[in-house]
Amino acid sequence: DAEITQSPRHKITETGRQVTLACHQTWNHNNMFWYRQDLGHGLRLIHYSYGVHDTNKGEVSDGYSVSRSNTEDLPLTLESAASSQTSVYFCASSEYRTGEAFFGQGTRLTVV
Amino acid sequence: GIQVEQSPPDLILQEGANSTLRCNFSDSVNNLQWFHQNPWGQLINLFYIPSGTKQNGRLSATTVATERYSLLYISSSQTTDSGVYFCAVIKAAGNKLTFGGGTRVLVKP
Repeated sequence: DAEITQSPRHKITETGRQVTLACHQTWNHNNMFWYRQDLGHGLRLIHYSYGVHDTNKGEVSDGYSVSRSNTEDLPLTLESAASSQTSVYFCASSEYRTGEAFFGQGTRLTVV
Repeated sequence: GIQVEQSPPDLILQEGANSTLRCNFSDSVNNLQWFHQNPWGQLINLFYIPSGTKQNGRLSATTVATERYSLLYISSSQTTDSGVYFCAVIKAAGNKLTFGGGTRVLVKP
């Protein structure tokens, strides 16, 4: 069965360190997305990609970057982790025509 | 951008009760999905329903696109139905999802 997987599931890091969260999908979807979920804010879009070598900023992109070198992967990098980036991060992929999206299990990131 | 509002924000049910969750959106949409976030944090796809009615077991959903709302029905609720229910929409093909604030459901035994 097709799936979307995130790793790691949990991570603790120190302020100022660079961190990369992995997202891998086997749906062969062109669209991929990164969201963060915080109490009181729901799910907010960080970055998204509509295909290889395409990346776009979402509503809360400051301090984050992504790259898309193949269809299956969209890693999310925190250049210099800050305590405000402590959150749960979700990756998603969707089919272009319908937009139906599927989510990974989430990564809980704590910045200390 | 498009606004998505869900009501009620919180719902407490006795096991076996029925309930209706509502999602209103501010503009025409190409896609609408309902998700259930379980107590372990996983986002589970419930329905892809840009229009019409669908049923899956005890859950059903109806979207009236012309009136810009969708309803999720939970019948004979069980404790495993607890969690947060999100509605999310896409305005145009290929665009990203915009989420509502969610409805937090607690089903008591």
